[in-house]
Amino acid sequence: DIVMTQSPDSLAVSLGERATITCKSSQSVLYRSNNNNYLAWYQQKPGQPPKLLIYRASTRESGVPDRFSGSGSGTDFTLTISSLQAEDVAVYYCQQYYSTPAWTFGQGTKVEIK
Amino acid sequence: DVQLVQYGGGLVQPGGSLRLSCVASGFTFNTYWMTWVRQAPGKGLEWVANINQNGSKKSYVDSVKGRFTVSRDSAKTSIYLQMDSLRAEDTAVYYCARGDRVANYWGQGTLVTVSS
Repeated sequence: DIVMTQSPDSLAVSLGERATITCKSSQSVLYRSNNNNYLAWYQQKPGQPPKLLIYRASTRESGVPDRFSGSGSGTDFTLTISSLQAEDVAVYYCQQYYSTPAWTFGQGTKVEIK
Repeated sequence: DVQLVQYGGGLVQPGGSLRLSCVASGFTFNTYWMTWVRQAPGKGLEWVANINQNGSKKSYVDSVKGRFTVSRDSAKTSIYLQMDSLRAEDTAVYYCARGDRVANYWGQGTLVTVSS
């Protein structure tokens, strides 16, 4: 099984500042035949289902603000919120779908306002 | 608009059974894989199972194999999760979601509590 490890478990960032979350997979999720990384990021607010933010490591889902960006390849990935807004307080999860139909998620990173 | 509305859930004793339903609308149901994901109280997300477009392919996380069964009904544009031999560790909010790689639409979630 592919294990996904996020860091940190939580972080507090001032409004307008940058927030950076990393995700590491236990094996590469780069699908070489199409050069796509099978890595997604979700945002989950309390009492709500997750919301897809990023897929293929760096492609923003429709309607997601451009302050959210994803980067990385192979086994190391980053989600960046360029200028933290109050509505971005949430838990963020990475997910690999390289081993689809089986998925695995990271343990989650809680983002709060400092 | 795409909607996934879930039904079922509740309190069940260990060893008991429960069936969750997820009714889909707003998209061509027969063209999408569908997935179940769960979240134990205060914990992270765990993929549980998914099913392909015509129901011929099903996959499960190891911890539920032989106990849970995913199915779908195209006429009712619904998917189901039949959960048997439930254990305390199955206590979670269960979400249905659209997709087999990423999930861009999710149901509202339903709480399953396994306790005596």
